Amino acid sequence: AQSVTQLDSHVSVSEGTPVLLRCNYSSSYSPSLFWYVQHPNKGLQLLLKYTSAATLVKGINGFEAEFKKSETSFHLTKPSAHMSDAAEYFCVVSDRWDSSYKLIFGSGTRLLVRP
Amino acid sequence: DAGVIQSPRHEVTEMGQEVTLRCKPISGHDYLFWYRQTMMRGLELLIYFNNNVPIDDSGMPEDRFSAKMPNASFSTLKIQPSEPRDSAVYFCASSPGQGVAEAFFGQGTRLTVV
Repeated sequence: AQSVTQLDSHVSVSEGTPVLLRCNYSSSYSPSLFWYVQHPNKGLQLLLKYTSAATLVKGINGFEAEFKKSETSFHLTKPSAHMSDAAEYFCVVSDRWDSSYKLIFGSGTRLLVRP
Repeated sequence: DAGVIQSPRHEVTEMGQEVTLRCKPISGHDYLFWYRQTMMRGLELLIYFNNNVPIDDSGMPEDRFSAKMPNASFSTLKIQPSEPRDSAVYFCASSPGQGVAEAFFGQGTRLTVV
């Protein structure tokens, strides 16, 4: 069965320093992987997606993620954190088979950005 | 497109009352999902539809929950009777399918059962 593990429940960084949010996945099939962001009291917004094309994926707001099959990882990075990046981030795996599919969410990582 | 539209945004109801949450997916999307988000359990998939047909309702917590999709532009999630432990944020999402795997989320309905 497919699953996703976010290794840190909270990450705290200073403004202007790099961000690393870690995600490992388990999938029986060739997965699609996503990162979503949720700002307080808001819905979920897609940051970026991997769907078997380039392994380094660029998203919105300067975020990017690298798909590493050998490590079953899809970590999210950003070179320089901004105060507006403070939010909760979800790593998501999608397996497709037949005509159905599910999105399986990780438990989330709350990013805190210190001034 | 206006995106996925959910109503109401907030709902406060008394225990035992019926609650109906509504969702309008993005036009042309074949898949519709209902999720529940709580502090304790995170984001849980409750049910999803493909072309208005329920495909997997294994996440629906119990018989008090039901979901319908009478047409391609409307879905409801009903809780009857409601209980305080149903308090959560309920999200609706839709996806084009057809090779596009990501889902687009509504703003959610915050349900409080007192």
